[in-house]
This record gives sequence, C-alpha cells and structure tokens, in this order.
Amino acid sequence: AQRVTQPEKLLSVFKGAPVELKCNYSYSGSPELFWYVQYSRQRLQLLLRHISRESIKGFTADLNKGETSFHLKKPFAQEEDSAMYYCALSLSGSARQLTFGSGTQLTVLP
Amino acid sequence: DAGVIQSPRHEVTEMGQEVTLRCKPISGHNSLFWYRQTMMRGLELLIYFNNNVPIDDSGMPEDRFSAKMPNASFSTLKIQPSEPRDSAVYFCASSIGTALLFGQGTRLTVV
Repeated sequence: AQRVTQPEKLLSVFKGAPVELKCNYSYSGSPELFWYVQYSRQRLQLLLRHISRESIKGFTADLNKGETSFHLKKPFAQEEDSAMYYCALSLSGSARQLTFGSGTQLTVLP
Repeated sequence: DAGVIQSPRHEVTEMGQEVTLRCKPISGHNSLFWYRQTMMRGLELLIYFNNNVPIDDSGMPEDRFSAKMPNASFSTLKIQPSEPRDSAVYFCASSIGTALLFGQGTRLTVV
C-alpha cells in the first residue's frame, strides 16, 4: 500500500533562513504528489502539485523518483510561512485515493 | 462560490449526545470527503462519496459514526453516541479532479 512519510512533526527556523520540509513516499508506480498548507485557524489549502512545476509563495518541490521524495523548499523563510504542512500522494490522478502524511508544523521565528 | 461550507464551526457536547456535522460542497464537484484531524493521528479519511453514493467508508472508526449525502449539495456526518475520544477537527472536502478543496472544519469537543 502507498505511504507518505513526513519525518519531522515540528520544524523551527529563523526568518530569512532556508527551510526544507521533508516528504518521502513508498509507491512503485507514478504517483501524483501535492503539498497542502493549513495556516492557523484556516482551512487546508493546496499549496502546489508536482505536475505544475510551479513556485507558490516562494516554495518549490521537486519530485525525485530515485529517492522517492518530494521535499518542499524555500530559500528565505518568512514569519507568515508558519503553518502546518501536509504532503499527499495520489495514485490514480484522483482525489479519491489521496494519502496524506502526518504533517509538519513549521514555525518561523523572528 | 464561497467554497466548501461547514457548520457548525465549533461544537461542544457532552458524552453520549448525538452530534451532527454538516457540509455543503462546491457546486459541480462530484466527490465529497470527510476527514478527521487530530494531533496524534494527523489527517484521516473517514469516508468519501462520488455522485452522492458512498464509495469507501473503511475509515469510519465505529458504528457510532455514520454519513449521508442525500443530494449533491449537502452531506452530514453523525456521531451517536459521542465520546471524548471523538474530539477532533472534522473537515469536509470536495473535488472534481485530483485536488481537494477543504472547508474550514468543525472543531468538536466532547466532554
């Protein structure tokens, strides 16, 4: 069965420092990967998806099939980036089979 | 479109009481999902519907939980009787493709 692992439950960085939120997955096929973000007391929202290959709010994520990873990166963290981040995997290109990781709470310190 | 709308935003109830959570998906979305979020378990999929039909309810923890979708614009998640361990944030989400769009959640506290 597919699995998404986010090894860090909590991550703190200082403002202006680079940040990397780790995500590893286990699946032998070609999954579709996503990052969702939940700001304090707000709804979960899609941050980015690997097929779009875009940068959102300065964040990027590259799918590395060799390492089965989809780490989320930002070169200069901002305080407003503090949030819960979830990595998710879809097997069939359908939201029906979306598997979420356990989440990483990012805190950007002033 | 106001997005996925959930009500109530907060619910505090006593153990043993029935709780009903409500969700209005985005118009035109044919899939609806109920998730539960806790500190210990993160996000768990409880059940999802496609075209108003329950497809997979394997994530529903117990018979105390039930969900319905009587039409394309409304779904309920009911817990009867509620227990303190049901305390969590319950999210509804809808989709028409791959990406999910979430509601703001209902924070349930069972005392």
